[in-house]
Amino acid sequence: GQQVMQIPQYQHVQEGEDFTTYCNSSTTLSNIQWYKQRPGGHPVFLIQLVKSGEVKKQKRLTFQFGEAKKNSSLHITATQTTDVGTYFCAGPLRQGGKLIFGQGTELSVKP
Amino acid sequence: DGGITQSPKYLFRKEGQNVTLSCEQNLNHDAMYWYRQDPGQGLRLIYYSQIVNDFQKGDIAEGYSVSREKKESFPLTVTSAQKNPTAFYLCASATGSYGYTFGSGTRLTVV
Repeated sequence: GQQVMQIPQYQHVQEGEDFTTYCNSSTTLSNIQWYKQRPGGHPVFLIQLVKSGEVKKQKRLTFQFGEAKKNSSLHITATQTTDVGTYFCAGPLRQGGKLIFGQGTELSVKP
Repeated sequence: DGGITQSPKYLFRKEGQNVTLSCEQNLNHDAMYWYRQDPGQGLRLIYYSQIVNDFQKGDIAEGYSVSREKKESFPLTVTSAQKNPTAFYLCASATGSYGYTFGSGTRLTVV
């Protein structure tokens, strides 16, 4: 069936270092969404990308949607301790449109 | 303020008991979803509803039941048939193909 895979599962960085998580779908997606879940919290919607090759920025976060609309990445420049949490990508299933989530990348930042 | 409310925040269940988790939204969203999250894991879809009086099974529906009698409400019952119910349960709502809004979750523990 349709799958969304995310790597790495865990990433430990020193504060100030950059961080990237990658998302790959087994099928072409109409859009890709990114969520952040702080430790002990719930997922919070960050952004949606729709167009092939689209790049969007939110301060230190850069989101990219691949040309084939099957992969995406989230890059954080100069991480801060406030970036700690798990980042999930999600794409809609072809049938029904409900989201299928990747397994998430857990980011820890050492001050 | 519009939002999605889950209650209770923590719930303890004895073996053989059914328990019901509440989810209410005042965002006027048509679609509502229930996800289960285990420690260090992603989100697995239990049930979803795209319209009042209609709902569909997700990937792990066994041992769970739902109802959608009102647009605002989508309660989840964890039945005694669910063999491993200890988990973090997240309710979400959405409109169109845009991002999901999640509630703050219910942590269910079997005692």
